[in-house]
Amino acid sequence: DTEVTQTPKHLVMGMTNKKSLKCEQHMGHRAMYWYKQKAKKPPELMFVYSYEKLSINESVPSRFSPECPNSSLLNLHLHALQPEDSALYLCASSQVSGLTSLAKNIQYFGAGTRLSVL
Amino acid sequence: GQQVMQIPQYQHVQEGEDFTTYCNSSTTLSNIQWYKQRPGGHPVFLIQLVKSGEVKKQKRLTFQFGEAKKNSSLHITATQTTDVGTYFCAGRYNFNKFYFGSGTKLNVKP
Repeated sequence: DTEVTQTPKHLVMGMTNKKSLKCEQHMGHRAMYWYKQKAKKPPELMFVYSYEKLSINESVPSRFSPECPNSSLLNLHLHALQPEDSALYLCASSQVSGLTSLAKNIQYFGAGTRLSVL
Repeated sequence: GQQVMQIPQYQHVQEGEDFTTYCNSSTTLSNIQWYKQRPGGHPVFLIQLVKSGEVKKQKRLTFQFGEAKKNSSLHITATQTTDVGTYFCAGRYNFNKFYFGSGTKLNVKP
């Protein structure tokens, strides 16, 4: 099983709503990532979790709040978003994220959640 | 700061023609990965290059990592319509994250 599952596939929310994106993998990977991708742009890293601990926050606004409840799950809690936050949100996982095991850094991406903020 | 440049932005080819996309970094990379994203899809891992001067082949795809580990290329021989999509390189420096190139969108005319 090399699958990363993201739900929901599509989400429309108002600027005052609170919603959550969910990501799940059962590959035993210990690194999980959130990326944001705008149309015709490359994925931009938002957060990295390594062994369930937040290791990288790319200066993401606090209206995005990540959570890693266990090694298989990664959530992204959304609150008071702006229309410019509309994008495809991609989750990815890899076996590890360190430099000591480069072969284990291969990232597997989920299909993404397409978010529209009205 | 660290940045991986990728060219060209777009490439339109006739089916059967070859295609190449290039990635370049001003500083040495520890490794580089290549991904393909079909229209409406998500990035799918193609290959990882780690060693200086490394060349890897996957059927019609040839991946190269430069001797100085500052540049990389993906070459597709005899393109097919199934090759359509955006190809991204993602380079890593000496920390825990990959920097994606801007991508090359390939369109193949049958």
